[in-house]
Amino acid sequence: KAGVTQTPRYLIKTRGQQVTLSCSPISGHRSVSWYQQTPGQGLQFLFEYFSETQRNKGNFPGRFSGRQFSNSRSEMNVSTLELGDSALYLCASSPGLDTDTQYFGPGTRLTVL
Amino acid sequence: GENVEQHPSTLSVQEGDSAVIKCTYSDSASNYFPWYKQELGKGPQLIIDIRSNVGEKKDQRIAVTLNKTAKHFSLHITETQPEDSAVYFCASFNYGQNFVFGPGTRLSVLP
Repeated sequence: KAGVTQTPRYLIKTRGQQVTLSCSPISGHRSVSWYQQTPGQGLQFLFEYFSETQRNKGNFPGRFSGRQFSNSRSEMNVSTLELGDSALYLCASSPGLDTDTQYFGPGTRLTVL
Repeated sequence: GENVEQHPSTLSVQEGDSAVIKCTYSDSASNYFPWYKQELGKGPQLIIDIRSNVGEKKDQRIAVTLNKTAKHFSLHITETQPEDSAVYFCASFNYGQNFVFGPGTRLSVLP
């Protein structure tokens, strides 16, 4: 069974731009979570989606948003990029609601210049 | 909210020796504790997990122990090999909440 895939793997943007990242979960998984990973802050939870509904949200500004489609694929968007948004953005999928086991994708490395 | 501490932040061991990484959590309601291994340029990979109704779990050279009373859990790697070199993250989880990760431990296995 294929793992979690994320596209693109690398992105370079400039301040003020916006960016959209994509995540395809493991086949059959319905829950998708997004994380931001930086050397200083570690792995921080952004949001979780299940059946196209945002179920949980971390402590990030409204510039960070996401959505989930009917096929469980998910996208996250960051508007008005700031230098501090440079990070590895990770997507994780799990089988369903309140299912604890999560599997991560390889991440998207975003660099903001 | 939940807080997860992890120690040490870096750990160097000789090949063949054992490595132990410890995590503590603050929310007594947390009931699931996974460990992830992250190699350079890759996403975290789940290597072992334990639930609150179990005290110990083992998978070949890797084991995890949980002390609910003290609210801490540990990862034990025996007979370490160079390919065990990576960053290891612990996490805690409670149903209805999100995962909270420790800051990570960089393990170096020296040949």
